[in-house]
Amino acid sequence: DVKVTQSSRYLVKRTGEKVFLECVQDMDHENMFWYRQDPGLGLRLIYFSYDVKMKEKGDIPEGYSVSREKKERFSLILESASTNQTSMYLCASRTLGRGASYEQYFGPGTRLTVT
Amino acid sequence: GIQVEQSPPDLILQEGANSTLRCNFSDSVNNLQWFHQNPWGQLINLFYIPSGTKQNGRLSATTVATERYSLLYISSSQTTDSGVYFCAVLPYGGSQGNLIFGKGTKLSVKP
Repeated sequence: DVKVTQSSRYLVKRTGEKVFLECVQDMDHENMFWYRQDPGLGLRLIYFSYDVKMKEKGDIPEGYSVSREKKERFSLILESASTNQTSMYLCASRTLGRGASYEQYFGPGTRLTVT
Repeated sequence: GIQVEQSPPDLILQEGANSTLRCNFSDSVNNLQWFHQNPWGQLINLFYIPSGTKQNGRLSATTVATERYSLLYISSSQTTDSGVYFCAVLPYGGSQGNLIFGKGTKLSVKP
C-alpha cells in the first residue's frame, strides 16, 4: 500500500511565525505536490517537485517555499505565516510513469490555523 | 488548458438508492482518477481509470476516453458514502504535470 504521511493533522500558529509542513512518501515516487484547499476555491497547486532538489511553482506560490533534499520527503515552508494562509494543506505523490500507472496518492492533510 | 466538468454539483439521496456521477473532460488524458473526500478532508483513491470499466464493491466506474467522459456509479448508497467526489485528469503527455480537478459532486446520503 502506498503511504503518504504528513507531519501534523492540526496546527495552530501565530502570525509571523515560520511554519514547516512535512510530507513523506514510501513508494519511491519522483513527483511530489503541495496543494491548499479552501471552500469554494477547490484544490490549488502551490509547488511541485519532479526530482530531488528540483521544484516548480504552481498556481499560488506566493508566501511559500519548498525543499526536497531527499526523494521521499517534500517540505512546505511558510516563511512568515499570515492569517490568509489558514487553510487545509494536502501533499501528494505520483510516479513519473514509464510504463507504470500515473496514479496519484494524497496524504491525510494538515489543517493549519494562523491567528 | 484542459477543462474538467462534473455533474451534478450536489446530490441528496436516501440510503439504499443508486446514483451516477459524471465527469466530462475536454482533451486527451494519461490519467483519470476518482477520489472521495471524507469529512476529515482526506482524499481517498477510488479508481484509477484512464479507460475501461472497474468495479470495487458497491462502486464502479467507466471511462470512455474517445468520448471524453467518465461515470462513477454508487449502488445501495450508505450514509458513509456522504462527502465530495472529485474527478481529476492528467493531460496527455503531462507525466510531470499537475492533476486537473473538477469542482466535485457533493453527495449527502440521508438515513
